[in-house]
Amino acid sequence: AQKVTQAQTEISVVEKEDVTLDCVYETRDTTYYLFWYKQPPSGELVFLIRRNSFDEQNEISGRYSWNFQKSTSSFNFTITASQVVDSAVYFCALSGLKYTGRRALTFGSGTRLQVQP
Amino acid sequence: EAGVTQFPSHSVIEKGQTVTLRCDPISGHDNLYWYRRVMGKEIKFLLHFVKESKQDESGMPNNRFLAERTGGTYSTLKVQPAELEDSGVYFCASSGRTVSSYEQYFGPGTRLTVT
Repeated sequence: AQKVTQAQTEISVVEKEDVTLDCVYETRDTTYYLFWYKQPPSGELVFLIRRNSFDEQNEISGRYSWNFQKSTSSFNFTITASQVVDSAVYFCALSGLKYTGRRALTFGSGTRLQVQP
Repeated sequence: EAGVTQFPSHSVIEKGQTVTLRCDPISGHDNLYWYRRVMGKEIKFLLHFVKESKQDESGMPNNRFLAERTGGTYSTLKVQPAELEDSGVYFCASSGRTVSSYEQYFGPGTRLTVT
């Protein structure tokens, strides 16, 4: 069975602070995908990143960066110099690969990030 | 390119009534998924269509839920009869055929309230 744990229910920071959202996962699949989604107050889920389990390179996209560590089954997300517009609920998710597992996403419970001006 | 759309955005019905939710995926996306988030819980998978075929319906909670995708375009999710515990937000997502097909793009959701 797959499981995604986001232990931080809610985080509050002041604008320009850096913030890291934690994600720990469990899976029996040897290959899998990890994702982060953002849910702003408007409610839709916005895709942020997909990471293959066989690619442990960290990724940076503007103020966003992701740290994937297979040894600790973690896929953490850091926002540098946070802004008020970053306020949202962030979900970490996991899926199998087409030939080895289900496509269905298994979501964590989400972390609500509040960035204060 | 239009995103995933869902209709209605919000539905309020009484226990025992029937509700049908609709999802229009991104044009050309063969994969269509339904998820839901009931109050205080995680977002949970319901089922996955590849074109008009049900690829995985392991998340459907019971036989009061019926999903269809005739013609492989839009999909409907019918709840009949609705129960109080069905209240929540129902999300639809779609993905394409290439390696990026693992990236699921979500609609805004339908908030269902059963009273």
